[in-house]
Amino acid sequence: DQQVKQNSPSLSVQEGRISILNCDYTNSMFDYFLWYKKYPAEGPTFLISISSIKDKNEDGRFTVFLNKSAKHLSLHIVPSQPGDSAVYFCAAVRYNFNKFYFGSGTKLNVKP
Amino acid sequence: GAGVSQSPSNKVTEKGKDVELRCDPISGHTALYWYRQSLGQGLEFLIYFQGNSAPDKSGLPSDRFSAERTGGSVSTLTIQRTQQEDSAVYLCASSLHSAPGDGNEQFFGPGTRLTVL
Repeated sequence: DQQVKQNSPSLSVQEGRISILNCDYTNSMFDYFLWYKKYPAEGPTFLISISSIKDKNEDGRFTVFLNKSAKHLSLHIVPSQPGDSAVYFCAAVRYNFNKFYFGSGTKLNVKP
Repeated sequence: GAGVSQSPSNKVTEKGKDVELRCDPISGHTALYWYRQSLGQGLEFLIYFQGNSAPDKSGLPSDRFSAERTGGSVSTLTIQRTQQEDSAVYLCASSLHSAPGDGNEQFFGPGTRLTVL
């Protein structure tokens, strides 16, 4: 069962512009959401997270928005840089269950 | 070392053989997770350990898969009688403890690429 979905396999953005990566989930019981970034031949690295009690979390150029009614979260990168080019995964988890559900990833290409 | 390490980095095996994959978590991290990423797919949860015990083994695809963790540190994932559909990148991650939350993110290793011929 795919409880976390990233429907866009790829996204191309010009350097300096905003990148918006989207993620949808089906389980309203998820408590915590995360974004990871993955370069080729490396493991994913944690980027930013958000608790279900919040609707926004910001860390530098990265902002995650959570819309619980729509079961949707998004990652905004402003301004986008070529070094941001990577595959981005969203993930969701329920407290006390500790089983993380990951989306299939979106490959971001930031063009110089 | 400073990060999560996994060995081997690449493994090519013949169908029907057993393979053992190893994960060394970050020192002091009590929680350890195994994931699998098949080509073009997201990360698939396999199992997680809190200390040496595995509260959730629900992600293991079949009884050919098993994992253990001894001494609260190193973990091994064993796949018996490998099949071609087992070909994937197997990722290990560790975190300070198992409760998700700020400051307790998972740190991933580089993965083991398994190819079953």
